[in-house]
Amino acid sequence: NAGVMQNPRHLVRRRGQEARLRCSPMKGHSHVYWYRQLPEEGLKFMVYLQKENIIDESGMPKERFSAEFPKEGPSILRIQQVVRGDSAAYFCASSPGTDEQFFGPGTRLTVL
Amino acid sequence: AQTVTQSQPEMSVQEAETVTLSCTYDTSENNYYLFWYKQPPSRQMILVIRQEAYKQQNATENRFSVNFQKAAKSFSLKISDSQLGDTAMYFCASLTSGTYKYIFGTGTRLKVLA
Repeated sequence: NAGVMQNPRHLVRRRGQEARLRCSPMKGHSHVYWYRQLPEEGLKFMVYLQKENIIDESGMPKERFSAEFPKEGPSILRIQQVVRGDSAAYFCASSPGTDEQFFGPGTRLTVL
Repeated sequence: AQTVTQSQPEMSVQEAETVTLSCTYDTSENNYYLFWYKQPPSRQMILVIRQEAYKQQNATENRFSVNFQKAAKSFSLKISDSQLGDTAMYFCASLTSGTYKYIFGTGTRLKVLA
């Protein structure tokens, strides 16, 4: 059973471009979570999704950020018109229900 | 609001020695989990050890053990026989049972010296 997969592992964007981060949960997991890790900080919750539904997006900035988890395919975290402050590591986690989550390897976004 | 505090930004230890990383947390819940994660330079989040709050016995995983003091809300990680591969950031985290928002501390950077 493969773990949580994220791609790309590294992503470089210029200011104003769009960033798309992908997450494939572990097999059998229908709950997906996104976390952001700014430099020298711990991970902070952004959004919780189940298939085709956003359950809690309270940790996600209201503008420029969106997330989806379609019926088929990976979960996508989308950042429009990126700014330097978006540079961070973005982690996806999945779980079969609530309680323990399994983390992916992260995507490091660098905005030039 | 729940918080997790790691008061040691950096620590170092000689190879083969023992080191203890501190973590305190604040919660009003009775049922929760506590975790220690290791984050090497690759940035992968690797689960080191977990503790269910209802269990009085301290969790152990090979060279890693915890000292869980529920009344004091303290959850320290002890690494015995430190190895060079233990060099990493270590994060303490809490999760209330039945919820999904992990609360992470700011991390402790551990360096194991040869």
